[in-house]
Amino acid sequence: EAQVTQNPRYLITVTGKKLTVTCSQNMNHEYMSWYRQDPGLGLRQIYYSMNVEVTDKGDVPEGYKVSRKEKRNFPLILESPSPNQTSLYFCASKFSGKETQYFGPGTRLLVL
Amino acid sequence: LAKTTQPISMDSYEGQEVNITCSHNNIATNDYITWYQQFPSQGPRFIIQGYKTKVTNEVASLFIPADRKSSTLSLPRVSLSDTAVYYCLVDSGYSTLTFGKGTMLLVSP
Repeated sequence: EAQVTQNPRYLITVTGKKLTVTCSQNMNHEYMSWYRQDPGLGLRQIYYSMNVEVTDKGDVPEGYKVSRKEKRNFPLILESPSPNQTSLYFCASKFSGKETQYFGPGTRLLVL
Repeated sequence: LAKTTQPISMDSYEGQEVNITCSHNNIATNDYITWYQQFPSQGPRFIIQGYKTKVTNEVASLFIPADRKSSTLSLPRVSLSDTAVYYCLVDSGYSTLTFGKGTMLLVSP
């Protein structure tokens, strides 16, 4: 089944404790991205990747890192999480160009 | 980077046609317009995409005027299950994607 998977789905952590949210897709998509969603603010893009080893900042990259060592994986790294990073995070992927994005199920993060 | 503006919310009743308009005054020549639907605690899912004039699929129609500075998503005969947030997105295909705040559609019996 074609899908985007994220792990974990739910995470509670404390300020400053490094964490990684994994994202994997099995559709051979070149483009992958991370979004965060907060009440009243819609979806905001954090980082995106056009292909392996190519990443770029989205609208809200501060406090996040990403890597794209393999085509299928695009982990989101919070080196030192802070409470303002409490949010619902979505990973998405698509073929390059004006193709539709496929979204993962979301990861709900709470930083205390 | 084209920004989009949509109504924050809309109300409708079952069986009615709903039209949601999105303005994107700074759309570039190569940009496409894509609409997504999102239910609570789920990732957005694709509804329809277009470049100009009219596009229709099994769930919606998309109307884009000649100047392409706006677009209208049309949902025929909505049902309760169409209650969701709808996002208009301008996509160049090769850069950052800005979703905006979306339109919360509430369909009542």
